[in-house]
Amino acid sequence: EPEVTQTPSHQVTQMGQEVILRCVPISNHLYFYWYRQILGQKVEFLVSFYNNEISEKSEIFDDQFSVERPDGSNFTLKIRSTKLEDSAMYFCASIRTEGNTEAFFGQGTRLTVV
Amino acid sequence: GNSVTQMEGPVTLSEEAFLTINCTYTATGYPSLFWYVQYPGEGLQLLLKATKADDKGSNKGFEATYRKETTSFHLEKGSVQVSDSAVYFCALSDRPGRRALTFGSGTRLQVQP
Repeated sequence: EPEVTQTPSHQVTQMGQEVILRCVPISNHLYFYWYRQILGQKVEFLVSFYNNEISEKSEIFDDQFSVERPDGSNFTLKIRSTKLEDSAMYFCASIRTEGNTEAFFGQGTRLTVV
Repeated sequence: GNSVTQMEGPVTLSEEAFLTINCTYTATGYPSLFWYVQYPGEGLQLLLKATKADDKGSNKGFEATYRKETTSFHLEKGSVQVSDSAVYFCALSDRPGRRALTFGSGTRLQVQP
């Protein structure tokens, strides 16, 4: 069964460093998302991406965040200068087409900023 | 804006007990409603969904009915198992695909043998 894969599963970084979280969505999917879940809290939407551009972003997704689909398969989330409060589980998700109701989620990347 | 409210957890039940996890929502238009499950150490998996009023979603013995009049989508299971121990998230989307999911805060279920 096709799945969304994320790497790494766990990343520890020092405050102020840049991190790149990687995702490979399901190959025939067109809509891509990043969500985050701070430990013990709700899953929060960060950004959605379609047709090589951001289609929607939340207020969390400020200038320190960026997304890219560099090669037609990977979908990356970059955090330029990490803060302690960026520590969270980051989930990538994809949906095949608009109107399709099932989002497929990856296993997540646990980011720990120290 | 859209919002989802779930009952506070954790919920602790004995095996074979009846489960209800309440979920209510606020949304514009006619959203699609979902329950996602997160097993320990894993990502989110779609458990069931309903796309219009009075639809009943069901999967693995779990059920939820889309109630427009009460803006609710409560999750139920007649007889829980230890393997159902997980965190359950209610979610909605008012434009599936184009617009992201809005999640509730999650309810942790612990089933004891």
